[in-house]
Amino acid sequence: GENVEQHPSTLSVQEGDSAVIKCTYSDSASNYFPWYKQELGKGPQLIIDIRSNVGEKKDQRIAVTLNKTAKHFSLHITETQPEDSAVYFCAASKPKGGGNKLTFGTGTQLKVEL
Amino acid sequence: EAGVAQSPRYKIIEKRQSVAFWCNPISGHATLYWYQQILGQGPKLLIQFQNNGVVDDSQLPKDRFSAERLKGVDSTLKIQPAKLEDSAVYLCASSLTAGGSTDTQYFGPGTRLTVL
Repeated sequence: GENVEQHPSTLSVQEGDSAVIKCTYSDSASNYFPWYKQELGKGPQLIIDIRSNVGEKKDQRIAVTLNKTAKHFSLHITETQPEDSAVYFCAASKPKGGGNKLTFGTGTQLKVEL
Repeated sequence: EAGVAQSPRYKIIEKRQSVAFWCNPISGHATLYWYQQILGQGPKLLIQFQNNGVVDDSQLPKDRFSAERLKGVDSTLKIQPAKLEDSAVYLCASSLTAGGSTDTQYFGPGTRLTVL
């Protein structure tokens, strides 16, 4: 089955700096790659996603890049703010009968320091 | 638009007891998912429903876990009997279409289960 690896497990940056989180996936048939933000005591919230027919997507301070050949995808957060502090999860899924089955990475604890 | 609702938010039980969790997905969403999230890990899919039918339950420990989605709306997940290793957050998610391979999954707040 699909395997998603995520690095780093913890990341500490100064406010205003950029943060980058990287993921790799194993199944070349995967075609959907969402990123979720999870705050303490809450469920994961989608922040951005990318489909395999594009290489990059940007939404304000957040961008995601996808390299299908290398089976890598990355989350980039610019101008980080204290409210960006949370756990971030990458995930991957591939077409299957009846919908998408997400396989999640192990998460990155991002801390934005003042 | 109301989000995914789950109850209870917290539950503490003794091992070998039974417990049930409830989920109400976003109105109109055809697909419902139950995930288990152990502390420090990413969510792991337990079961996926499309309307009221099971699409994927390959990672559901069927000797102790069961789930149903009557009438294709609300869903319950049950554990009987619970083990210490079942301590986790149980997340419910829903997505709009039946069969959409890139549909966004929207998550509820989760139920934190502690088994003593």
